[in-house]
Amino acid sequence: AQSVSQHNHHVILSEAASLELGCNYSYGGTVNLFWYVQYPGQHLQLLLKYFSGDPLVKGIKGFEAEFIKSKFSFNLRKPSVQWSDTAEYFCAVKWGAAGNKLTFGGGTRVLVKP
Amino acid sequence: EPEVTQTPSHQVTQMGQEVILRCVPISNHLYFYWYRQILGQKVEFLVSFYNNEISEKSEIFDDQFSVERPDGSNFTLKIRSTKLEDSAMYFCASSVGQGGNQPQHFGDGTRLSIL
Repeated sequence: AQSVSQHNHHVILSEAASLELGCNYSYGGTVNLFWYVQYPGQHLQLLLKYFSGDPLVKGIKGFEAEFIKSKFSFNLRKPSVQWSDTAEYFCAVKWGAAGNKLTFGGGTRVLVKP
Repeated sequence: EPEVTQTPSHQVTQMGQEVILRCVPISNHLYFYWYRQILGQKVEFLVSFYNNEISEKSEIFDDQFSVERPDGSNFTLKIRSTKLEDSAMYFCASSVGQGGNQPQHFGDGTRLSIL
């Protein structure tokens, strides 16, 4: 079955530390990959997406993600976090060029200490 | 920036009662979705809707659930006879087009509590 895994449920780090959140999906074929962020009390917002081309994609707020097809992974990174990056981060996948259904990972709660 | 809006933000309902969750998608979007997240679990796809028809639904979306676009702006999810296990956060989303490369834009969610 199609599934998405996020390795860490909770991450605590200090401001200026680097962040990397892991995401793996169950199998290949055509995939469309997304990272969403949910700040406290707010809706899910799209951070970045990958459809094709350069496997290193840049998103908003200094985030980037790298698609590694051989590892079925799409890890999210930010070189230097800020307190305002405290949020829950969700990896999501659509399979197939015509796919509409988003399959989500379990989310990772990130707490950045000032 | 245009947003998907959902009402109410919190709905408390007795088990067995019908509940309608409302969503106003972004105005030029044509594809609409409902997802839910039971506390402590993953966000799960329920249904997608286009051109006044369901285009895809999950196994969760059984006969107790229905969706409707009653007018040009609203998109509703109805649960006919609620169960305790329907307690969850329900998210509405919309997209301009279909297909893998179309991002979905989400509302703030409705927290549904079944007593």
